[in-house]
Amino acid sequence: KQEVTQIPAALSVPEGENLVLNCSFTDSAIYNLQWFRQDPGKGLTSLLLIQSSQREQTSGRLNASLDKSSGRSTLYIAASQPGDSATYLCAVSQGRGGSYIPTFGRGTSLIVHP
Amino acid sequence: EPEVTQTPSHQVTQMGQEVILRCVPISNHLYFYWYRQILGQKVEFLVSFYNNEISEKSEIFDDQFSVERPDGSNFTLKIRSTKLEDSAMYFCASTQAGGYGYTFGSGTRLTVV
Repeated sequence: KQEVTQIPAALSVPEGENLVLNCSFTDSAIYNLQWFRQDPGKGLTSLLLIQSSQREQTSGRLNASLDKSSGRSTLYIAASQPGDSATYLCAVSQGRGGSYIPTFGRGTSLIVHP
Repeated sequence: EPEVTQTPSHQVTQMGQEVILRCVPISNHLYFYWYRQILGQKVEFLVSFYNNEISEKSEIFDDQFSVERPDGSNFTLKIRSTKLEDSAMYFCASTQAGGYGYTFGSGTRLTVV
């Protein structure tokens, strides 16, 4: 059974810092990995999708890397802003039985203070 | 950008009542999912649906739960007799196919009293 772990569980930083959020998974036979953002009491907003054959994806100040063989992904946030405050979730999909079910980590709760 | 739409955004129901949560997935998507998130906990898989049938379900998805795609656009989750522990945020998601990203709806907050 796939297990997804995110470290740290919580992070509080001053504005402007560069951040690294970590995601690890136990079964490296994945189809893709997706990073989401969740604001309190809200839904999930997709940030970046990395296919299993890719090493990284970038969108603006966000960069996600994937090392499938070691079961790790990293989300890098450059020059953090208060608006980045949210919970960041990592979800790993496997193609078992054709279902492609994402398995989520518990998330990293990020607070960026001015 | 296409969205997954969920209604209602918030539902309060009495214990033992039936509830139906509704979702309209993105129109060209083929795989549909329900997830739930109990307050302060992780997002948990309930069920996946493909080609008009359940393709996989978790231990949480017991006989009290059912899903349906009644008309080719809506995708519903029914809880037959709600319990206090069913209180959670329920998310619907869809994807075009394996290897594509998942789009989640904004959720229905279910409160059972």
